[in-house]
Amino acid sequence: AQKITQTQPGMFVQEKEAVTLDCTYDTSDQSYGLFWYKQPSSGEMIFLIYQGSYDEQNATEGRYSLNFQKARKSANLVISASQLGDSAMYFCAMREGERNTGGFKTIFGAGTRLFVKA
Amino acid sequence: DTGVSQDPRHKITKRGQNVTFRCDPISEHNRLYWYRQTLGQGPEFLTYFQNEAQLEKSRLLSDRFSAERPKGSFSTLEIQRTEQGDSAMYLCASIKFGGGPSSYEQYFGPGTRLTVT
Repeated sequence: AQKITQTQPGMFVQEKEAVTLDCTYDTSDQSYGLFWYKQPSSGEMIFLIYQGSYDEQNATEGRYSLNFQKARKSANLVISASQLGDSAMYFCAMREGERNTGGFKTIFGAGTRLFVKA
Repeated sequence: DTGVSQDPRHKITKRGQNVTFRCDPISEHNRLYWYRQTLGQGPEFLTYFQNEAQLEKSRLLSDRFSAERPKGSFSTLEIQRTEQGDSAMYLCASIKFGGGPSSYEQYFGPGTRLTVT
């Protein structure tokens, strides 16, 4: 059964430093997509970055990069140069059946709350 | 604003009452998803539509829950005989399947927060 595990309920990082948020996943599908979302206290879900299982390069979007290790089934999010506005909940998510069908349901991890200290 | 919209944003109801939520996806998006998010947890998949067809339903979607997307545009989620355990944020999201890289990203609405007293 597909599953997303985020083992860090909370993380602290000093402003301007980099931080890694962990995510491991379990799936038997060969084609899947991995996502990271940010949810500030206001509640909206903000898409950050996407990695397809068939992508050979790690995804990057500005200060966000996804450290994709397929054999280990991990998809860690790296935020460089943390800013105070990065304080939020971060969710890792997976969608199976990506390549052929555009994917089905998306499952989410329990999230990691990031606190950026000034 | 051309994003995903949801109505109402907040709903307080008494146990046993029926409630209905509406989601308007981005106009050219053909797939629409419903999720439920309880406090401190990630969103849980409920169901999704491809145009007007409901393609998958979670076991979380008991027979008290029903979702429709009659014309392939907006969708409604109805909860009958609400229970206190239904209190949660109900999120809607949409994607444009077949739209290339733009289909990778799910665009979420602001959610409807339901409180059952």
